[in-house]
Amino acid sequence: DQQVKQNSPSLSVQEGRISILNCDYTNSMFDYFLWYKKYPAEGPTFLISISSIKDKNEDGRFTVFLNKSAKHLSLHIVPSQPGDSAVYFCAASDGGSNYKLTFGKGTLLTVNP
Amino acid sequence: DAEITQSPRHKITETGRQVTLACHQTWNHNNMFWYRQDLGHGLRLIHYSYGVHDTNKGEVSDGYSVSRSNTEDLPLTLESAASSQTSVYFCASRKGNTGELFFGEGSRLTVL
Repeated sequence: DQQVKQNSPSLSVQEGRISILNCDYTNSMFDYFLWYKKYPAEGPTFLISISSIKDKNEDGRFTVFLNKSAKHLSLHIVPSQPGDSAVYFCAASDGGSNYKLTFGKGTLLTVNP
Repeated sequence: DAEITQSPRHKITETGRQVTLACHQTWNHNNMFWYRQDLGHGLRLIHYSYGVHDTNKGEVSDGYSVSRSNTEDLPLTLESAASSQTSVYFCASRKGNTGELFFGEGSRLTVL
């Protein structure tokens, strides 16, 4: 049973426009959420996180929104740049599972010049 | 700079062989993790450790083992490699129980 779902395997946007990556979760105990970016042949790198006590967290061009009632979070990238082209993983954790991170399958973002 | 390194980066082995993937971090992090990445599955947790002599099974632990004899290292051993274990393996570490994981660059393993 997949607890963290990224239903879009891929997304293509034009440079300068907004990229919106979505993530849904089923475990209501999750209280901390993270986004990771991964380039080919490299390890994932941390991008941004949000605690369940917040509904928005912003860091430069990246904003994560959390809708707890819908068990949904999204990552907005504005404006998108070609260097943002990568696989983006959504991850979640909770104290009850000793804060293990559960990852989604990832979304491949392509930003076209 | 502190870092996390994995070795080997690439390995080809035969079915039935024992394989060990090394992971070394210099941040003095207590928490260390091993994940595998496969197309269509994302990152799946194999084993994890919250300190020296502590090891725990993740969601896909069958056929794998780990040991934690010091803070810096968490080697992953495949006792008898199977073709289903062909994958890219990532080691990660974290200072405490919350916060982000820091990943190594990955080890690509092919089992023929």
